[in-house]
Amino acid sequence: AQSVTQLGSHVSVSEGALVLLRCNYSSSVPPYLFWYVQYPNQGLQLLLKYTSAATLVKGINGFEAEFKKSETSFHLTKPSAHMSDAAEYFCAVTRSGYSSASKIIFGSGTRLSIRP
Amino acid sequence: DGGITQSPKYLFRKEGQNVTLSCEQNLNHDAMYWYRQDPGQGLRLIYYSQIVNDFQKGDIAEGYSVSREKKESFPLTVTSAQKNPTAFYLCASSILWGSGANVLTFGAGSRLTVL
Repeated sequence: AQSVTQLGSHVSVSEGALVLLRCNYSSSVPPYLFWYVQYPNQGLQLLLKYTSAATLVKGINGFEAEFKKSETSFHLTKPSAHMSDAAEYFCAVTRSGYSSASKIIFGSGTRLSIRP
Repeated sequence: DGGITQSPKYLFRKEGQNVTLSCEQNLNHDAMYWYRQDPGQGLRLIYYSQIVNDFQKGDIAEGYSVSREKKESFPLTVTSAQKNPTAFYLCASSILWGSGANVLTFGAGSRLTVL
């Protein structure tokens, strides 16, 4: 069975500081991994995805994530936080080869706050 | 612009009433999904459909019903049997093909409050 754990339900950083949101997964087969962002009272939108190509994945808004198989991690980073980054972030995992997104498992989310 | 439209954005319901949440997409996606979001619990799949006139239960289908009469529409009914219906409901869609890396496109959500 697959699962995903996001460490820290709330992360607060200063504007301009490094953003690090942690995600660890469990999967018995090669996974596909995603990060989604949700702004208040809105739906989720894709930040980036890992599909077994390059282990360092670049996404929108300056975010990137690195797939580390040995650590079963897919942490999300951004070198310099901006006030507009305040949102909730969800890590998600699915099995490679599945044809339906119904097999996507979402983490419980991390709320990112930015201090002026 | 293509996307997913959910309505209403906010809905209040008295206990014992059924309510229907609308979800329409113009992305020509085959698959559509309904998720429930509660604080601190991430997203939980209620129902999904991969083709017109066919749908499957997700992890928390009890107290909910759906229909898929048209490719672009996937309404969700929250019935009186749902014991704790107050939540944020998200509709999503995706291409249905074999890579497994299917990205979900989400609507803006519907917030249901039971009074």
